[in-house]
Amino acid sequence: GAGVSQSPSNKVTEKGKDVELRCDPISGHTALYWYRQSLGQGLEFLIYFQGNSAPDKSGLPSDRFSAERTGGSVSTLTIQRTQQEDSAVYLCASGTLASGANVLTFGAGSRLTVL
Amino acid sequence: KNQVEQSPQSLIILEGKNCTLQCNYTVSPFSNLRWYKQDTGRGPVSLTIMTFSENTKSNGRYTATLDADTKQSSLHITASQLSDSASYICVVRASGGYNKLIFGAGTRLAVHP
Repeated sequence: GAGVSQSPSNKVTEKGKDVELRCDPISGHTALYWYRQSLGQGLEFLIYFQGNSAPDKSGLPSDRFSAERTGGSVSTLTIQRTQQEDSAVYLCASGTLASGANVLTFGAGSRLTVL
Repeated sequence: KNQVEQSPQSLIILEGKNCTLQCNYTVSPFSNLRWYKQDTGRGPVSLTIMTFSENTKSNGRYTATLDADTKQSSLHITASQLSDSASYICVVRASGGYNKLIFGAGTRLAVHP
């Protein structure tokens, strides 16, 4: 597609439930990032995928968070046993190393609300 | 520690006025700096990128400056419009890895008629 697509755009869940958030990056983009943005806060790095390299998971806040990127394209961020503090907008961004610049294209985000 | 600090945290200006947003960083080694605009409910969109050798770069009514010696950047918005109301995020890339992007917390700008 022309841009980065994320789904669902909004998700309301009960505490303790698992959720999956999906990101479809721009075709050909080898780099994919997940960020989290709490209300009124800056972006918090979660995880980074680059090609076939092992992902950088250093930003994941707990072992309840995990992410996969299948076939170097679609990525899924999974949050197990959700807590209220997980409520945030989860943003996905993709980019390419071709230009050497940090050109990222962001999706519109998935807003997660944990009741 | 690599950090990016932005000021002010929020700003309100009248339509037609100019404003300047600041970004100070301690990222080293420095690769480049990019300003993003994030409209409410949307993902950030790149405005401009500055490399080490560039001092000024313009994109329409947006002009970014970079002083690599003092590790400061500014984003100047001229003749503001209501559509400029957004958060402006400064992002610095460190050398040595494509994953080394450090985000500022952003400046929330509101332009009032």
